[in-house]
Amino acid sequence: SQQGEEDPQALSIQEGENATMNCSYKTSINNLQWYRQNSGRGLVHLILIRSNEREKHSGRLRVTLDTSKKSSSLLITASRAADTASYFCATQGYSTLTFGKGTMLLVSP
Amino acid sequence: KAGVTQTPRYLIKTRGQQVTLSCSPISGHRSVSWYQQTPGQGLQFLFEYFSETQRNKGNFPGRFSGRQFSNSRSEMNVSTLELGDSALYLCASSPNDRGDSPLHFGNGTRLTVT
Repeated sequence: SQQGEEDPQALSIQEGENATMNCSYKTSINNLQWYRQNSGRGLVHLILIRSNEREKHSGRLRVTLDTSKKSSSLLITASRAADTASYFCATQGYSTLTFGKGTMLLVSP
Repeated sequence: KAGVTQTPRYLIKTRGQQVTLSCSPISGHRSVSWYQQTPGQGLQFLFEYFSETQRNKGNFPGRFSGRQFSNSRSEMNVSTLELGDSALYLCASSPNDRGDSPLHFGNGTRLTVT
């Protein structure tokens, strides 16, 4: 069963706009990770944030983690057409990494 | 370093047959995990291997099995295929089994069962 749930399921924006995706989860975690998947291909790791961290940046990506609310958000600033993909959050608890169903992001030129 | 390699890229099988999928992890990575991805269920964890030992197993029937070799390469086998086994099967590797490192995914094997 999925641990994380992303919201929204789909997001359509214009190039240059910011995109925000949210992830909620149910149980305690050691870390939370975000991945990107282009159609029909493997997942690519974006950011890992540990349970004792609140915010992390990587280039145009900003991830926040609120363990009291069991939620995380991924912000992509100044989106590009190449950012079009599905984005997944994954939670690492006691054992395995569990993925949500993802947010499909479409960035139009 | 070469990435995670999965073979074959595409497979078409008939119900009742069996199939073996192969995964070569990044050099030096000792942990290999397998996931099944379908439009309806999303990414579902199958199993994880570390140093030839199965560390965790997901909620899949016994028709799904796997193994890891001494060079960390891994295979998964699905016997008595069902239509519902049609999916993208993804393999991922990481340096250790502590869960504090990102997973590196291959591009998957697309299995179609007819």
